[in-house]
Amino acid sequence: AQTVTQSQPEMSVQEAETVTLSCTYDTSENNYYLFWYKQPPSRQMILVIRQEAYKQQNATENRFSVNFQKAAKSFSLKISDSQLGDTAMYFCAFMRYNAGNMLTFGGGTRLMVKP
Amino acid sequence: EAGVVQSPRYKIIEKKQPVAFWCNPISGHNTLYWYRQNLGQGPELLIRYENEEAVDDSQLPKDRFSAERLKGVDSTLKIQPAELGDSAVYLCASSGSTGRPSEAFFGQGTRLTVV
Repeated sequence: AQTVTQSQPEMSVQEAETVTLSCTYDTSENNYYLFWYKQPPSRQMILVIRQEAYKQQNATENRFSVNFQKAAKSFSLKISDSQLGDTAMYFCAFMRYNAGNMLTFGGGTRLMVKP
Repeated sequence: EAGVVQSPRYKIIEKKQPVAFWCNPISGHNTLYWYRQNLGQGPELLIRYENEEAVDDSQLPKDRFSAERLKGVDSTLKIQPAELGDSAVYLCASSGSTGRPSEAFFGQGTRLTVV
């Protein structure tokens, strides 16, 4: 079974600054995918960024980037130029390859962006 | 394109009463998921459907929970009778393919409060 751990229950950052959210996971699989989801107060989970484990290059999506360390089983999210709209819960998630696209989520990090 | 639609958004019931949640996935999405999200935690998978077939329901408490997906489109999740510990957000998601990683699109969830 896979486990996903987010060790930071809450984080805060000043608007326009950079923040990094941590995630570690445990798996015996070699092929898998990792995701960061954002959940605003509306409760709808929104995909922020995804990483395929076989790719060494870290994924980036505009202001969002990841630091994927496969050997260390670490997958952190960096948000640059933080905006007030980034305030939300952030969940790290794991997906096994060819396993029905089912997600295993971490416990979440509550991010508050302060003006 | 309409997203995943769930209803109701909120439900308050007394313990031992039945309750049902409804989900309409994105048109054309064969795979449908029900997740339960306890307060302050990440979502956990309850059941996955491929078309009308439940292919993974190992985490569904079958003594009181049931689900169906008639005609492989809409789905209903039922709890009977509800217990206090069932208070949570119930999220529905859908995806277009299981052959390769496919983004799961989530609805806004139903927040259930059992009193």
